[in-house]
Amino acid sequence: DGGITQSPKYLFRKEGQNVTLSCEQNLNHDAMYWYRQDPGQGLRLIYYSQIVNDFQKGDIAEGYSVSREKKESFPLTVTSAQKNPTAFYLCASTTGGSGNTIYFGEGSWLTVV
Amino acid sequence: GENVEQHPSTLSVQEGDSAVIKCTYSDSASNYFPWYKQELGKGPQLIIDIRSNVGEKKDQRIAVTLNKTAKHFSLHITETQPEDSAVYFCAASRNNQGGKLIFGQGTELSVKP
Repeated sequence: DGGITQSPKYLFRKEGQNVTLSCEQNLNHDAMYWYRQDPGQGLRLIYYSQIVNDFQKGDIAEGYSVSREKKESFPLTVTSAQKNPTAFYLCASTTGGSGNTIYFGEGSWLTVV
Repeated sequence: GENVEQHPSTLSVQEGDSAVIKCTYSDSASNYFPWYKQELGKGPQLIIDIRSNVGEKKDQRIAVTLNKTAKHFSLHITETQPEDSAVYFCAASRNNQGGKLIFGQGTELSVKP
């Protein structure tokens, strides 16, 4: 089935560690996005990429990094510089352009222990 | 900056009643307005969307209306069912930003049998 696969579903991070969340899509979409969701709140954009080998910061990029080496993959690294990383992370993709449907993955829960 | 306000934050209705959720946006250049339904621990799923050249769109029990002059749009769910219980998010974006959505804060809808 076509879709967006995020892994792992649950991840625990110790203080000072970097962790990487995986996002893979087989929809042949050009654009991919990472959003962060805190309990009871809306989604905030971390990073986005509209083409391979290019990406831009969103509204809350500090403490995060991304890469886009392949069209189907857009991993997110939560670095030790992110002081409050506990959240639900959502990856999304779209064909790009204006007003095209944006599809979301099932999300990854990250907890700092 | 761009902003989307969503109300109410929680909404409780009896099964069979209608539910209305309202959003206002600040960026007058916004022209694409999707609505997402999110169940606990899952990624958001698109339920309906509207573009700025249309004032109303309906899909079975769900409808969305858009007032560009007032910069607000609303989600209407008729004949609510318990399975409609979820968190609903509105969002807005504009042509040159592709999938870069600005989300509202979400509405937790509870449909009581």
